[in-house]
Amino acid sequence: GENVEQHPSTLSVQEGDSAVIKCTYSDSASNYFPWYKQELGKGPQLIIDIRSNVGEKKDQRIAVTLNKTAKHFSLHITETQPEDSAVYFCAASRSQTGANNLFFGTGTRLTVIP
Amino acid sequence: DTEVTQTPKHLVMGMTNKKSLKCEQHMGHRAMYWYKQKAKKPPELMFVYSYEKLSINESVPSRFSPECPNSSLLNLHLHALQPEDSALYLCASSHAGGRTGELFFGEGSRLTVL
Repeated sequence: GENVEQHPSTLSVQEGDSAVIKCTYSDSASNYFPWYKQELGKGPQLIIDIRSNVGEKKDQRIAVTLNKTAKHFSLHITETQPEDSAVYFCAASRSQTGANNLFFGTGTRLTVIP
Repeated sequence: DTEVTQTPKHLVMGMTNKKSLKCEQHMGHRAMYWYKQKAKKPPELMFVYSYEKLSINESVPSRFSPECPNSSLLNLHLHALQPEDSALYLCASSHAGGRTGELFFGEGSRLTVL
């Protein structure tokens, strides 16, 4: 099965600085790579995703890059704000029986210091 | 506000009790999921229903019994649980049909087994 590793486990940055979280995956058949943000007491929420036919995707202050050859992908958050503080999970998936089978990384607790 | 509604938000039960967790979505999604999340850990997939049929069971003990009465509802029946089953149980839904896409998570049901 798929194995997703995520680093770092905790990350503290000053408000306005950038944050980078990295993930690697093992299954070369994985073709979908979402990033989820989980705030305290809530379920995970998708913030950005990328498919295997694309190398980079950007949405305002958030960007994701994918290197299929090396089997790694990264989340970049620029101009961080206190509300970016949360746990971030990367995930990898390949379509199976018509539904997602997401394998999550171990999570990164991001703290943005005002 | 999440569009996946889970009840109850909190549940305390003894090891001999029988209880159920409920999940509802009205987004027309035909894939629904149960995940288990322990503190400071990523969500772990338990079950996937695709078009109201169980398509994935990640070797979950039989004391957890899923049920999908219709395309909008997903239940998780609990019986004879162990204290180590205490966790946040997350329900999610997505479009089905072979294309990977966003999972919409509920806020979870926090279960404590005494």
